[in-house]
Amino acid sequence: GAVVSQHPSRVICKSGTSVKIECRSLDFQATTMFWYRQFPKQSLMLMATSNEGSKATYEQGVEKDKFLINHASLTLSTLTVTSAHPEDSSFYICGAKVPYGYTFGSGTRLTVV
Amino acid sequence: DAKTTQPTSMDCAEGRAANLPCNHSTISGNEYVYWYRQIHSQGPQYIIHGLKNNETNEMASLIITEDRKSSTLILPHATLRDTAVYYCIVRSDASGNTPLVFGKGTRLSVIA
Repeated sequence: GAVVSQHPSRVICKSGTSVKIECRSLDFQATTMFWYRQFPKQSLMLMATSNEGSKATYEQGVEKDKFLINHASLTLSTLTVTSAHPEDSSFYICGAKVPYGYTFGSGTRLTVV
Repeated sequence: DAKTTQPTSMDCAEGRAANLPCNHSTISGNEYVYWYRQIHSQGPQYIIHGLKNNETNEMASLIITEDRKSSTLILPHATLRDTAVYYCIVRSDASGNTPLVFGKGTRLSVIA
């Protein structure tokens, strides 16, 4: 089946630094990638939709200058958390639509200290 | 996409069938019922989907009522590894390349 590979699986960074999360579609082309954030004991919340070759669209309340999304190729979308703060600590997940539904990456646990 | 209602949590004994209900009384004719699950600290995993007929695959069975207003996901022989949050999502294929919206789901605990 269609696989999305997400890296890193966990990362710890210092406040004020930036962190990049990568999602690659391994055996299909993903023209669109969806980025979610999940806080403990809560459901997944959509942050943004990235489209290959164009600007991402962000959900209300998500700062586009803080969460930079790049989707430069049909197999790679990246999310960069810039100037990270402790409140950005969360579980970040990417996903893409495939013929049978949706497939998701394994998630990235970000801890900002 | 139609709204769904699921119990917050359920317990199931290991080896027994887990029956997870979902109410989707406002479902429309072209909307499918999808089930996903999320094991702790992992991404969501596709389980099964159906339109109006019952469906079965290697993971589970999906039973949809005749009026399509509710459905039940059945894990025939639950194991400890089935402990997860299960999401029932109703969605039309006409929604195109739009994101999947997750509700709160049902937290299933499989107990030894």
